[in-house]
Amino acid sequence: AQTVTQSQPEMSVQEAETVTLSCTYDTSESDYYLFWYKQPPSRQMILVIRQEAYKQQNATENRFSVNFQKAAKSFSLKISDSQLGDAAMYFCAYRRTVYNQGGKLIFGQGTELSVKP
Amino acid sequence: EAQVTQNPRYLITVTGKKLTVTCSQNMNHEYMSWYRQDPGLGLRQIYYSMNVEVTDKGDVPEGYKVSRKEKRNFPLILESPSPNQTSLYFCASSSNYRDRGKTQYFGPGTRLLVL
Repeated sequence: AQTVTQSQPEMSVQEAETVTLSCTYDTSESDYYLFWYKQPPSRQMILVIRQEAYKQQNATENRFSVNFQKAAKSFSLKISDSQLGDAAMYFCAYRRTVYNQGGKLIFGQGTELSVKP
Repeated sequence: EAQVTQNPRYLITVTGKKLTVTCSQNMNHEYMSWYRQDPGLGLRQIYYSMNVEVTDKGDVPEGYKVSRKEKRNFPLILESPSPNQTSLYFCASSSNYRDRGKTQYFGPGTRLLVL
């Protein structure tokens, strides 16, 4: 079975600085998707970034980028130029490419990010 | 606007009183799931549906029921709620096509407190 681990329950960053959130996962599959979701105080789940395992190039979305290390099964999220609005809970998630289990996402425990002005 | 809706958003109930949380999506998605979110555990899948009349257990199905009589709706039923079902619940949907199925669309969440 696949598992996702986020070992940092809480992180803090100064506004305008850069922060990296860690995520490791375990799987025996070679093709899969990895995601970072943001959950602000409203509790809405917002997709931040997505990585397809067969792509070697790291995904980027504006100030958000990932460091995908497939062999090490590591998937960290880097937030550059942190803003107050980035304060939220961040979840790392894994999804198989096999279309069963309703597209099931396997989530990590979450990392609560605070941004200091 | 493509969206997943859930109702109610907040619910306080007592042990043993049956309740239903509704979920509806307007994107004609085949796949739908229910997740619960608990501190330190992330989100875990409760039940899922691959299409109309096709449902199956996820990782934490005990105490829950679902049905999928229409493609757009996927209600979550707690026949006899207990305090350990106090949680934040999310409904999600996605397409079953490989390219379009990468993204799961989440509802706004339902916060349930069982006394």
